[in-house]
Formats: sequence, C-alpha cells, structure tokens
Amino acid sequence: ETGVTQSPTHLIKTRGQQVTLRCSSQSGHNTVSWYQQALGQGPQFIFQYYREEENGRGNFPPRFSGLQFPNYSSELNVNALELDDSALYLCASSLGGYLDTQYFGPGTRLTVL
Amino acid sequence: AQSVTQLGSHVSVSEGALVLLRCNYSSSVPPYLFWYVQYPNQGLQLLLKYTSAATLVKGINGFEAEFKKSETSFHLTKPSAHMSDAAEYFCAVSDGRTGTASKLTFGTGTRLQVTL
Repeated sequence: ETGVTQSPTHLIKTRGQQVTLRCSSQSGHNTVSWYQQALGQGPQFIFQYYREEENGRGNFPPRFSGLQFPNYSSELNVNALELDDSALYLCASSLGGYLDTQYFGPGTRLTVL
Repeated sequence: AQSVTQLGSHVSVSEGALVLLRCNYSSSVPPYLFWYVQYPNQGLQLLLKYTSAATLVKGINGFEAEFKKSETSFHLTKPSAHMSDAAEYFCAVSDGRTGTASKLTFGTGTRLQVTL
C-alpha cells in the first residue's frame, strides 16, 4: 500500500506566474485536504475535496483553486503568484470520516521570486 | 472558532529526560485534538488523537497526552527522551464537523531538541 505522494518536490516560480501542485492520495481514501505551511509556522487549511467536490475552504483567496479526479488524486492551482505564497504545500488524504486519521504527504516546497 | 496555542517555540531536553510540550486549545464545540510530528523535509505524522473517549491518550513512540477540560489543555509528554525524538511537534484541533473529514487548525509548533 503506497502512502500519500506529492509532486514536484521543489518548485521555483516568479511573481505573477501560475503553478499546479499534485497529490496522489493513499489507496482507498476519498478525501484530500490541502494545507499551506509558511516557514516557521503551522500548516493552514486551504480547502478540502470529497468525492470530487469542494467540501470546505479556509481563508484563502479565489486564486487558490483545486480539483479532485475520479481516482481521488488532486491538484492545487495557484494563479498570479505572490511572494507570500512561498511555503511548503501539504496534502493529506483520509477515508472521509471526521475522526479518520489524515495521512500527510511530504509536501511541495514552492519558492516565489 | 477553534484555535490552539503552543507555549514555547523551542524546547531542549537531555537524552533520557522527561519531554513536556504544552498545548492549550479554544473551541466552541467539544474538541477533537491531535498531536503531529514533523521530521526535517518530511510531512506530518500523527502521534495521537483525543476523540472524547479516555482523557489519557497513548500514541506512538512512547508519547502520551492528557486532555484536561478544566485547563483547556492537551499537553504531550514522554517519560524519557531519545535522540530520534528531535523534530517539530504540532498540536491541532478539529473543526468539529461531522460526516466529513475534519479541517484541522494547527498551532505554530514546538521544536524539540535532544542533547546528549
């Protein structure tokens, strides 16, 4: 059984560009949550997808968007990148119950110059 | 709204000494609480979770935490630190929604250093 994987590992972009980050959920998991972890901070909830539908969103602007595919993998898209978007982006997958353990991937380190 | 406060951004202990990492929470609903550990260049790994059953929760790697409602605390302890425990530790609280996976609110983390 494979765990949660994310790609790419590292990414460097410039201000104004767009980026897509990818997450493959653990086998059998139908829910993916995305978090942003700025340097020296705890992760902050961006949004969650359950069976291909957005199911909750944190305090992030609309230029942060996502998708979940029929195989439950997911993408995080960020448009019009800003310097403050530099962070570690983590995805977590789970079975969808509110007490089910969320399994985190290793993250994608995004640097915006 | 839910929030957690972790007291002490850095904690240093000697190998073999007691580890105590502090977490206080604020929640408008009965809280579900979690401790996660993050090793360098890795994602988060669940250590333990409180889900309103026993107030003393045992987790992996010898860690445990006690839920104290009167103190709104959920401190993490380990009787004897090991060098491999050096990592960043995060306390988190669930948004309390039922029926779907939780949205977690994390604290700012405590970096644990273990010295010889």
